[in-house]
Amino acid sequence: DTAVSQTPKYLVTQMGNDKSIKCEQNLGHDTMYWYKQDSKKFLKIMFSYNNKELIINETVPNRFSPKSPDKAHLNLHINSLELGDSAVYFCASSFGVGNQPQHFGDGTRLSIL
Amino acid sequence: DQQVKQNSPSLSVQEGRISILNCDYTNSMFDYFLWYKKYPAEGPTFLISISSIKDKNEDGRFTVFLNKSAKHLSLHIVPSQPGDSAVYFCAAKGNSGGSNYKLTFGKGTLLTVNP
Repeated sequence: DTAVSQTPKYLVTQMGNDKSIKCEQNLGHDTMYWYKQDSKKFLKIMFSYNNKELIINETVPNRFSPKSPDKAHLNLHINSLELGDSAVYFCASSFGVGNQPQHFGDGTRLSIL
Repeated sequence: DQQVKQNSPSLSVQEGRISILNCDYTNSMFDYFLWYKKYPAEGPTFLISISSIKDKNEDGRFTVFLNKSAKHLSLHIVPSQPGDSAVYFCAAKGNSGGSNYKLTFGKGTLLTVNP
């Protein structure tokens, strides 16, 4: 009964390729997020979606395009992958209103060769 | 520009003793603070939180203290157990506009509880 699940867990690909990461939550939350954990271990927000609408785009290059087909899903597509995109990407979800914790998936480790 | 700082990269504690993890923040607009625990190859797991209108919140072995004037919070784990060994992240959230829809994280503290 995984609450926030993301696939794949590992992704190894060549520079210049296009790849997608999928995320699904079964918690009934209305808000979903993508975070990036870089080599320095900082977890930083990339995008927030509330009721399928983009709320936050934290100066992420437009090679990254999130898509939310419904409130339970938030996918991340990355075009023309670069070496600097190597990181662990975490999906999360929460209720948007009030002080509510975010719940995270187990991450997707993206390695660019 | 680190708005949330965890100045101790690691902490080692004996089983049964108290673990105290510290966190400082600079943004006075933060009004909700959380602690997450993370094991290797897993996502952060929510542990405990505190709203800025409180100065203490307790849940079993875990207590979070908030000192707003010092912009400082701490997580106390009593008694510490070997299974508590993990990276602990402090996080903060604002209450207006876009800041309501994101967490700002510290860099984490690796806690090791020795048997």
